[in-house]
Amino acid sequence: GAVVSQHPSWVICKSGTSVKIECRSLDFQATTMFWYRQFPKQSLMLMATSNEGSKATYEQGVEKDKFLINHASLTLSTLTVTSAHPEDSSFYICSARVVQGGSPLHFGNGTRLTVT
Amino acid sequence: AQSVTQLDSQVPVFEEAPVELRCNYSSSVSVYLFWYVQYPNQGLQLLLKYLSGSTLVKGINGFEAEFNKSQTSFHLRKPSVHISDTAEYFCAVSEGGNTPLVFGKGTRLSVIA
Repeated sequence: GAVVSQHPSWVICKSGTSVKIECRSLDFQATTMFWYRQFPKQSLMLMATSNEGSKATYEQGVEKDKFLINHASLTLSTLTVTSAHPEDSSFYICSARVVQGGSPLHFGNGTRLTVT
Repeated sequence: AQSVTQLDSQVPVFEEAPVELRCNYSSSVSVYLFWYVQYPNQGLQLLLKYLSGSTLVKGINGFEAEFNKSQTSFHLRKPSVHISDTAEYFCAVSEGGNTPLVFGKGTRLSVIA
């Protein structure tokens, strides 16, 4: 089946530093990947849509300069949290689908970010 | 715009009892519906999906769901739950193409021995 790999699974960083999260589609190509954020005991909120070879599309209220997304190849999208603050601490999950037409999204295992 | 409502934030149930997790959606166009399960500190695993055809869909781990267009519902059911079913369950909707999923707030299923 389709596998989405996310790395790292957890990271602790100091306030003011930047953190990069990688999302890879291991056995399929993904022209589009979706980044979600999940607060404790809450649902998943779409942050942005990552498009291979072009700029990401950000949801309203998501700071594009803080959450930098790069989709440099058909199998890799990265999310960089710049100048992280404690309020950025959250669970970040990427996803992609193998084919279009309403097929399900396949999710990575998520990255737990803790900013101290 | 699409939206998903999961009315029950928590559902406790005894082991081997049946369970139903409710999901209602709203959308102005045809939709595709999904149920995902999430275990602590993990990503989401697809349980089942409705794309078209039969309104009763069967998924993994003995779960099934029924699409009801008139009631705009997609409730998840299992006739006999196990301790290992304890997890967070999310209902989601998509309008097709390469659009993202919109999730409900989730239902915490707790199976009691």
